[in-house]
Amino acid sequence: KAGVTQTPRYLIKTRGQQVTLSCSPISGHRSVSWYQQTPGQGLQFLFEYFSETQRNKGNFPGRFSGRQFSNSRSEMNVSTLELGDSALYLCASRNVRGETQYFGPGTRLLVL
Amino acid sequence: ELKVEQNPLFLSMQEGKNYTIYCNYSTTSDRLYWYRQDPGKSLESLFVLLSNGAVKQEGRLMASLDTKARLSTLHITAAVHDLSATYFCAVDTGSGNTGKLIFGQGTTLQVKP
Repeated sequence: KAGVTQTPRYLIKTRGQQVTLSCSPISGHRSVSWYQQTPGQGLQFLFEYFSETQRNKGNFPGRFSGRQFSNSRSEMNVSTLELGDSALYLCASRNVRGETQYFGPGTRLLVL
Repeated sequence: ELKVEQNPLFLSMQEGKNYTIYCNYSTTSDRLYWYRQDPGKSLESLFVLLSNGAVKQEGRLMASLDTKARLSTLHITAAVHDLSATYFCAVDTGSGNTGKLIFGQGTTLQVKP
C-alpha cells in the first residue's frame, strides 16, 4: 500500500505570497491532519479533516486554511506568508478505526 | 489545555547502555503515541498505547503507559548507534480518536560507539 504523499517537497516563497500544499492520504484513510514543525515551536497541530469537513483546528491565524476533497486528498493554504511560516509541514492520515496516524514526508517551506 | 512534556530533551549515551525517556501529560487521555524522527525526515510510528498499564516492545525499545500518573516511558535496552534519532511522544486530545495530537518537545538521542 502506498504511503502518504505530499507535494511539493520543497518550496521557496517570499513574504506576502501565498502557498498551497497538497497531501494524498493512504488509500482508504478518510482523516487527514496537518502539522507544522519548527525548531522553536516544535510540532504543532494545524487542523484535521474528515469526509471533507474540518473537525479540529489548532491555534493558528486565519491565514492558514485547508480543505479536503471527496477522494480524501487535502490541501492547505497559507496566505500572506511571513518569515515565521518557514517550517516543515507534515500531513498525516489515518483510518478512523485505526490506531495511529501515518505521516507523509513533509513539505519544507522557506519564506524569504 | 493539554501539555506534554518530555525529559530529558537530549540524551547522549554509550552503546550497550540502558536508559529511559519520560513523557508526562497534563490532562486525561486514553491514547498515547511514540514516534521516531531521523534528521531531515518525517515521523515514523513506533507505538500506540491505548490503556492503563499497556506495554509494547519492539526490538530494543519498550513503551509503557500509566494513565493514572499521566506518564509514559520509552525504555531503551542495550542501545546501538542505529537508535540515534529524535523521539516524540504525543497525546490525543479528546476522549477518543480525534486525530488531534499534542506532541512533546522531543528527545534527541545520540548513541556513541
